[in-house]
Amino acid sequence: SQKIEQNSEALNIQEGKTATLTCNYTNYSPAYLQWYRQDPGRGPVFLLLIRENEKEKRKERLKVTFDTTLKQSLFHITASQPADSATYLCALAGGYQKVTFGIGTKLQVIP
Amino acid sequence: DGGITQSPKYLFRKEGQNVTLSCEQNLNHDAMYWYRQDPGQGLRLIYYSQIVNDFQKGDIAEGYSVSREKKESFPLTVTSAQKNPTAFYLCASRNTEAQPQHFGDGTRLSIL
Repeated sequence: SQKIEQNSEALNIQEGKTATLTCNYTNYSPAYLQWYRQDPGRGPVFLLLIRENEKEKRKERLKVTFDTTLKQSLFHITASQPADSATYLCALAGGYQKVTFGIGTKLQVIP
Repeated sequence: DGGITQSPKYLFRKEGQNVTLSCEQNLNHDAMYWYRQDPGQGLRLIYYSQIVNDFQKGDIAEGYSVSREKKESFPLTVTSAQKNPTAFYLCASRNTEAQPQHFGDGTRLSIL
């Protein structure tokens, strides 16, 4: 069955450092991959989308890589700030129905 | 500003009672979705609809029902057949297949 693995434990990082979150998947050939941010008690907010034929995507301090051979995506936040503290969800998509979400990684940026 | 509105934010259900969660969007999106989120689990798809008057079961549809009479609205009913309804429910929409989903801020359902 399709499976997505994200660091299930919280990731603590010092302010100003680069945070790197990992998303691994098995038994899936996604057309594209998405990253969302979720704050407590709120719905997820879309951050970045990367397609299967793209290696890297950037948006301001955010960078996503997508390696379909390794079946892995890395999500980087450079110059991290306490306001970046949240849970980050990885989602794989191949069609209208087939959007599969990981459980998320909780990021804590320490001042 | 366009967006998705879910109501109520908190809902309590008594034994044997059906409750309905509201989801309204003004983004003019064709597709709408209902997810359930439990601690330690990813979002799980309950139902989705690609077009008005049509909807499909997701991975965990048992004990739930939906309707899609208008493009803007996709209400979810949690029936008494759903034995473990306590969860955070999220509604989402998107325009085309390759676009990201837009989420509402959820409804937290608890049992009295």
